[in-house]
Amino acid sequence: GESVGLHLPTLSVQEGDNSIINCAYSNSASDYFIWYKQESGKGPQFIIDIRSNMDKRQGQRVTVLLNKTVKHLSLQIAATQPGDSAVYFCAEGTGGFKTIFGAGTRLFVKA
Amino acid sequence: GAGVSQSPSNKVTEKGKDVELRCDPISGHTALYWYRQSLGQGLEFLIYFQGNSAPDKSGLPSDRFSAERTGGSVSTLTIQRTQQEDSAVYLCASSLARAVNEKLFFGSGTQLSVL
Repeated sequence: GESVGLHLPTLSVQEGDNSIINCAYSNSASDYFIWYKQESGKGPQFIIDIRSNMDKRQGQRVTVLLNKTVKHLSLQIAATQPGDSAVYFCAEGTGGFKTIFGAGTRLFVKA
Repeated sequence: GAGVSQSPSNKVTEKGKDVELRCDPISGHTALYWYRQSLGQGLEFLIYFQGNSAPDKSGLPSDRFSAERTGGSVSTLTIQRTQQEDSAVYLCASSLARAVNEKLFFGSGTQLSVL
């Protein structure tokens, strides 16, 4: 079945370093990918999205890269800050309303 | 309101009891979603409402689960005869419209604990 998974369940980085969170997806028909950030006790919050006709998209301190050949998605966070500590979910849209979420990666930022 | 509001934030119930979880979406958002998040897991789609259309209930795990949306705004998720495996965080989200892949705005969720 369709699935969106993550390579690493936890990631620990030093404050100021760059973070890279990876995600694999299995549905080659997916045309929309989203990263959400979930802080403790809160609902997921939209970070950045990318459509399948793009390879890269940049936001403020974040970049999403899409490699359709190997069905891989990554989120890069520049100059990681303590406030970036959270669980990050990649999600997949397949042209309809239903967004499929992966299990998430927990990011720890060490001061 | 400014964001998606869910109540209660926490609910502890006994096995076999019914529970109702409430979601108040962002004003003007026509689409409303319910997701379930078990501990350490991703988000499991439950049900989707869009305007006056019939809801898509394809994600509801059993007939003990139901949801309604009154007046195109507030939604209630009801779980009958709760079981321990129903323990999870229930998240509600809304979006502006049923466009192709809309970003979702989530509430803080209801933590349900079934003893």
